[in-house]
Amino acid sequence: GENVEQHPSTLSVQEGDSAVIKCTYSDSASNYFPWYKQELGKRPQLIIDIRSNVGEKKDQRIAVTLNKTAKHFSLHITETQPEDSAVYFCAATPLKSQTGANNLFFGTGTRLTVIP
Amino acid sequence: KAGVTQTPRYLIKTRGQQVTLSCSPISGHRSVSWYQQTPGQGLQFLFEYFSETQRNKGNFPGRFSGRQFSNSRSEMNVSTLELGDSALYLCASSFLGTADGYTFGSGTRLTVV
Repeated sequence: GENVEQHPSTLSVQEGDSAVIKCTYSDSASNYFPWYKQELGKRPQLIIDIRSNVGEKKDQRIAVTLNKTAKHFSLHITETQPEDSAVYFCAATPLKSQTGANNLFFGTGTRLTVIP
Repeated sequence: KAGVTQTPRYLIKTRGQQVTLSCSPISGHRSVSWYQQTPGQGLQFLFEYFSETQRNKGNFPGRFSGRQFSNSRSEMNVSTLELGDSALYLCASSFLGTADGYTFGSGTRLTVV
């Protein structure tokens, strides 16, 4: 099955700086790569995702890049704010059709702390 | 529109007991997936149900089981609880039954003592 590795496990940045979290995956069939943000005591929430036919996607201060050849993808957060402090999870899956089985393979998470 | 509802939010059980957790998906969603979240392992897939059928199962022992009802609500059961089963159990519902449509619930925090 798919194996997703995520680095770093913890990351501290000064407010206003950028943060980068990196993930690698093993299954070349994976074609869907979401990123989730989980604040303390809350549910994981999708913040951005990318599919294998796209190399980069941006949404305001958040961007994700994908390198299919190297099997890695990264989350970039610019102009960080204290409310960005949370645990971030990457995931990958070979997304199948509606009638096929689907599940996400998650990285182990990165605890991001933004220091005011 | 109501989100994904998991009950109970917190649960304390003794080793050897069994437990049942409930997940009510977003109205109209037919797929419910369950994940176990622990500090060391992150989120690990347990199983997925679609229209009352288990379509996919992760690598967990047979003590972990689940089912889905005709109204798409799902339950998971853990029998003969072990200390290592202490975790946050999350369910996610999806309209199309694909992983790109997940909405997670807030989870049930299970503590086994």
